[in-house]
Amino acid sequence: ETGVTQTPRHLVMGMTNKKSLKCEQHLGHNAMYWYKQSAKKPLELMFVYSLEERVENNSVPSRFSPECPNSSHLFLHLHTLQPEDSALYLCASSGTEGTEAFFGQGTRLTVV
Amino acid sequence: AQKVTQAQTEISVVEKEDVTLDCVYETRDTTYYLFWYKQPPSGELVFLIRRNSFDEQNEISGRYSWNFQKSTSSFNFTITASQVVDSAVYFCALGTSYDKVIFGPGTSLSVIP
Repeated sequence: ETGVTQTPRHLVMGMTNKKSLKCEQHLGHNAMYWYKQSAKKPLELMFVYSLEERVENNSVPSRFSPECPNSSHLFLHLHTLQPEDSALYLCASSGTEGTEAFFGQGTRLTVV
Repeated sequence: AQKVTQAQTEISVVEKEDVTLDCVYETRDTTYYLFWYKQPPSGELVFLIRRNSFDEQNEISGRYSWNFQKSTSSFNFTITASQVVDSAVYFCALGTSYDKVIFGPGTSLSVIP
């Protein structure tokens, strides 16, 4: 398996639920990212991990909690989300030398 | 502050027409990278090209070509002889390091048969 794989592809959750998004990359990259893509808004960088250390957190609400157990896996734990959190969540990976990022197909999240 | 502007929100062309997608960027850094990505309806962003700030050579890849002009802070993307499969949202992005990349708002391209 190659590239960046995200699961699940679609998720519907209630505001009191807890769920996790999973991302896996088989490209040998050492940086991984979570992005949020909402309708009619630019792509927003949420979290960056380099060598399993978080290096960027763009003022993301604490109801989103990332986890990077190793350089190939990245999780986004979700709890008590709001309807406005409904969006496409994209995972990406890259090297750390100004290289391009490779994206997964995203998880379409709907909060009801 | 860094910024990427894609002034064209939506473009429609008839198949086989040429189309240019505009990208204008702002940065105070002297070293930076510019990217173009394609997002088809499936959702995944597909990398198309990277250009660093010291390389102003234009590039052609098949029907795709890119025009980088530092004097006008632009990095425009042209598709020649467009095809229906080119229909997608195209994003221009600017990065000064791997963890500082910002994306433009995207241009939605529809190629009509």
